[in-house]
Amino acid sequence: DARVTQTPRHKVTEMGQEVTMRCQPILGHNTVFWYRQTMMQGLELLAYFRNRAPLDDSGMPKDRFSAEMPDATLATLKIQPSEPRDSAVYFCASGLALGTSGAGELFFGEGSRLTVL
Amino acid sequence: DQQVKQNSPSLSVQEGRISILNCDYTNSMFDYFLWYKKYPAEGPTFLISISSIKDKNEDGRFTVFLNKSAKHLSLHIVPSQPGDSAVYFCAAASWNTDKLIFGTGTRLQVFP
Repeated sequence: DARVTQTPRHKVTEMGQEVTMRCQPILGHNTVFWYRQTMMQGLELLAYFRNRAPLDDSGMPKDRFSAEMPDATLATLKIQPSEPRDSAVYFCASGLALGTSGAGELFFGEGSRLTVL
Repeated sequence: DQQVKQNSPSLSVQEGRISILNCDYTNSMFDYFLWYKKYPAEGPTFLISISSIKDKNEDGRFTVFLNKSAKHLSLHIVPSQPGDSAVYFCAAASWNTDKLIFGTGTRLQVFP
């Protein structure tokens, strides 16, 4: 049963600490997205990749957030330094680029709940 | 700038009745629209989609309607069931970017 895997599921850290969230996309998918769920913004797009190349990270606070795909099986989202306002649930999703069969549908992981004290 | 808006944060419907969830968008470049359902402590899951060449798409109890001139789409669930209680997200994309933009979500509660 193919699924997107995210780690950690929960993270509690103190302000100023570095946080790294990891995602294993579904094998064969060529797009990977990072979203953040907040009450006010809903699912807020932070960054996305196609064929491991970053296409858009305009939703991320550049000074503290970074997203990478070191290989096709791993995507990372790093926050350094973390702040209390970063507390949220972070979702990774993978899919097929639009124009191919099943395009547009994203498969989400279960999320990483981050609490920054 | 919220390009996809769901103005009703919550909706309560009796079991067996119709649930109608609404979504508005501002970007005229959007031509592909999806609905996702999210249960607590889980990731969103795909429910139904529609492309801009259609105005209706139906899948069992779920129907999505698209009104391009009004930049509005809606999800109809009939009959509603208690298991439909979840948060529903509307999402939009354009074919040339595959960047999926989500709304703020509507929490649906179906009561017996």
